[in-house]
Amino acid sequence: DVKVTQSSRYLVKRTGEKVFLECVQDMDHENMFWYRQDPGLGLRLIYFSYDVKMKEKGDIPEGYSVSREKKERFSLILESASTNQTSMYLCASSLWGRGRGEQYFGPGTRLTVT
Amino acid sequence: SQKIEQNSEALNIQEGKTATLTCNYTNYSPAYLQWYRQDPGRGPVFLLLIRENEKEKRKERLKVTFDTTLKQSLFHITASQPADSATYLCALVLPYTGTASKLTFGTGTRLQVTL
Repeated sequence: DVKVTQSSRYLVKRTGEKVFLECVQDMDHENMFWYRQDPGLGLRLIYFSYDVKMKEKGDIPEGYSVSREKKERFSLILESASTNQTSMYLCASSLWGRGRGEQYFGPGTRLTVT
Repeated sequence: SQKIEQNSEALNIQEGKTATLTCNYTNYSPAYLQWYRQDPGRGPVFLLLIRENEKEKRKERLKVTFDTTLKQSLFHITASQPADSATYLCALVLPYTGTASKLTFGTGTRLQVTL
C-alpha cells in the first residue's frame, strides 16, 4: 500500500510566522503535489514536482514555496503566514503521468493562522 | 475557464439502492477523468480512472461512465451500504505546463446511505 504521511494533523501558528509542512511518501513515486482544500472551493493545486529539485507552480502559488531535495519528501513553506492561509493542506503523490495518473493523498494538515 | 459541476446538495438514498452521482464540465475536453472518495477530516482516496476513449469502467460495485459529447461523467454505486456514505469528488485531467498535467477537482457530492 502506498503511504503518504504529513508531519502534523493540526497546527496553530501566528500571523507572520514561517511555517513548514512536510510530506513523505514511501513508494518511490516521481510526482508529488500540494493542495489546499476550503469549503465551497474544493481542492486547489499550490505546487507540484515531478522530479527531485524540480517544481512547478500550481493555480495558487502566491505566499508559498516548496522544496524537494529527496525523491520521497516534498515540503511546503509558508514564508509569512497570514490568516487567509488558514486551511486544510493535503499532500499527494503519483507514480506515473506527471499529473495524469491516480494520486495518493496524505491525511491532511489542518492549519490555523491566528 | 474550466468549470466542473457536481451537485452540491447531499444525496440521500436507502441501503441497497443504486446511488448515481453526476459530474458535468464545460470549456474543455479532458483526456482522463478520475473519481475519489473523501471521508470527513481525511484525504481523498482514489477510486477509478476513465480515459476519453472508454465509455464505461467498473470496479466491484462501482461503475463510471464518461460521455465526452455531453461533457458528463456518471458515478454509480450499486447495492449501496451505509459504509459508502462519504463525499465523492470528480477530477478532470488537463494539460497544464510542458509535459505535465494537473487534476482539477469538483467540490464534491456528499452521499448519505441510510438503513
